Amino acid sequence: DAGITQSPRHKVTETGTPVTLRCHQTENHRYMYWYRQDPGHGLRLIHYSYGVKDTDKGEVSDGYSVSRSKTEDFLLTLESATSSQTSVYFCAISESSAGQGYEQYFGPGTRLTVT
Amino acid sequence: AQSVTQLDSQVPVFEEAPVELRCNYSSSVSVYLFWYVQYPNQGLQLLLKYLSGSTLVESINGFEAEFNKSQTSFHLRKPSVHISDTAEYFCAVSGAGNNRKLIWGLGTSLAVNP
Repeated sequence: DAGITQSPRHKVTETGTPVTLRCHQTENHRYMYWYRQDPGHGLRLIHYSYGVKDTDKGEVSDGYSVSRSKTEDFLLTLESATSSQTSVYFCAISESSAGQGYEQYFGPGTRLTVT
Repeated sequence: AQSVTQLDSQVPVFEEAPVELRCNYSSSVSVYLFWYVQYPNQGLQLLLKYLSGSTLVESINGFEAEFNKSQTSFHLRKPSVHISDTAEYFCAVSGAGNNRKLIWGLGTSLAVNP
């Protein structure tokens, strides 16, 4: 299994509070991704990173920010959590190799509930 | 732009029966194709992938998928399912111009009943 951990694994927070989710990898992969998974919507890309301090938006980036100061860590921040951000959040990493087809490896997920 | 359509949101099947989960994609360029599996309350795991070469690819637990370029499909099949195959299955595609992103289908929930 790829060395990917997410913390916390579960969190309940109140509307309007800031929340930071952490993704940590031990694989030294260049690419890292944050997804959210909701019933009926599958996986939706929030933000991704293609190197230290290099990030870009995905399809559902509003209300989220990210930072990557080290290769191994990719942080997702909800500046002011809303109930619509209640979801399961997954981090993924990729070797970014054409030989591997850019396949991604996933963390165990964080279940976030905003009350 | 690339897109992926999983034609069935739910597939109920009895144990030891065959199953096919359908996936179609749209792309004007060469693609790489993947099937991922997600067991309840877990992350996604790569089940199998097509990069090039033989159009039939297999997984270690008996699933297989066939890349059909003319039909732009990558259907997943298993000749005899087990209760333990109950999971969500996702089809995904990547390729040139996607900047290392995967385009995902919405998933198919496979429920294997005794």
